[in-house]
Amino acid sequence: GNSVTQMEGPVTLSEEAFLTINCTYTATGYPSLFWYVQYPGEGLQLLLKATKADDKGSNKGFEATYRKETTSFHLEKGSVQVSDSAVYFCALRNSGNTPLVFGKGTRLSVIA
Amino acid sequence: NAGVMQNPRHLVRRRGQEARLRCSPMKGHSHVYWYRQLPEEGLKFMVYLQKENIIDESGMPKERFSAEFPKEGPSILRIQQVVRGDSAAYFCASSPLGTGGRNTGELFFGEGSRLTVL
Repeated sequence: GNSVTQMEGPVTLSEEAFLTINCTYTATGYPSLFWYVQYPGEGLQLLLKATKADDKGSNKGFEATYRKETTSFHLEKGSVQVSDSAVYFCALRNSGNTPLVFGKGTRLSVIA
Repeated sequence: NAGVMQNPRHLVRRRGQEARLRCSPMKGHSHVYWYRQLPEEGLKFMVYLQKENIIDESGMPKERFSAEFPKEGPSILRIQQVVRGDSAAYFCASSPLGTGGRNTGELFFGEGSRLTVL
């Protein structure tokens, strides 16, 4: 079946540090891959996505590249800010309108 | 274009009572998904519905939980005879019809309904 594994948190970084959150997946077929972000007390917001191998999704300084050979979609940001403190979820979705499958989430805390 | 609307945002119930959570999808979206998030855990898929049809309920507990998405009105997740273990945040998400250009694959989430069972 389909599954997503992401690094466990919490991750604590100082402002302007480099961020990597690892995500690997298992899927049948060729899924689309997503990163969602959840700020405290809120719902999930799409951060970025990639729909095919070698695609790079990017938004708000975050990037992730769809690596089919390593079945990975690691999230990176060159310089984090306090406002990036949130829980980040990696997810995949196969074709059609099948449900999103989420990883367990990684809590990021950025301190000034 | 309003986003996915969920209500109530917060709901408190005593053990044995019923909880009803409502979700209005984004305008033009005909697919609704319900997820449950337990404290400090990820999101677990519960059920996927289209208008008047349950497409996939593989994540729904076999007892006490039911969902519907009628022709008119919001989708409703109903939990009967709630227990403390039902305390969680319940998120609804929607997506547009089909796999064409309007469907970019992402799901659009509401802000959730947080159920507390005393």
